[in-house]
Amino acid sequence: DADVTQTPRNRITKTGKRIMLECSQTKGHDRMYWYRQDPGLGLRLIYYSFDVKDINKGEISDGYSVSRQAQAKFSLSLESAIPNQTALYFCATGAAGNQPQHFGDGTRLSIL
Amino acid sequence: QQQVKQSPQSLIVQKGGISIINCAYENTAFDYFPWYQQFPGKGPALLIAIRPDVSEKKEGRFTISFNKSAKQFSLHIMDSQPGDSATYFCAADDSNYQLIWGAGTKLIIKP
Repeated sequence: DADVTQTPRNRITKTGKRIMLECSQTKGHDRMYWYRQDPGLGLRLIYYSFDVKDINKGEISDGYSVSRQAQAKFSLSLESAIPNQTALYFCATGAAGNQPQHFGDGTRLSIL
Repeated sequence: QQQVKQSPQSLIVQKGGISIINCAYENTAFDYFPWYQQFPGKGPALLIAIRPDVSEKKEGRFTISFNKSAKQFSLHIMDSQPGDSATYFCAADDSNYQLIWGAGTKLIIKP
């Protein structure tokens, strides 16, 4: 089984809908991250969490919210989706310090 | 400013050639510089990383060269193979809370 699992892998929805992307990990890491990937822009950090009670905004948090339900689970919500949120979304986990981040395989989200 | 500038945006190299991707940073507090490799349909995965106390790190065909005074670092892929075709991201970390990512380089190795 994958260390970091994202669901769904693909989602097409309409403007104004509420969407939740889920992430679970078996790495035992405290730190979890949500990124957005757009062509030519690389990875941009949406939110990050260093433990269950710690949630922090990243570079592009507007229009998004997150919930850290447990050490292993970190979900991303779009309260009212808009077309410019169409992108590839990645969840990642990591240990403290200069340790590698481990990524899921992403959710491709299209908002019509 | 927290930025990492990566170039080129795309790169085509013949099989057996050397692929070179460059990154530049501004924040002297950065103390960890990883490179990630991403294949289509997959998330990025750590390829190789370096700290600023060394000027070069080599792992197999992959080498990071680091120039602290110029605030630049680069990835060299020797004897490039078609299986190396992927998107490569440089990043920088200040041991604080997050990685700062370059925009990515799409590398194509032609057989």
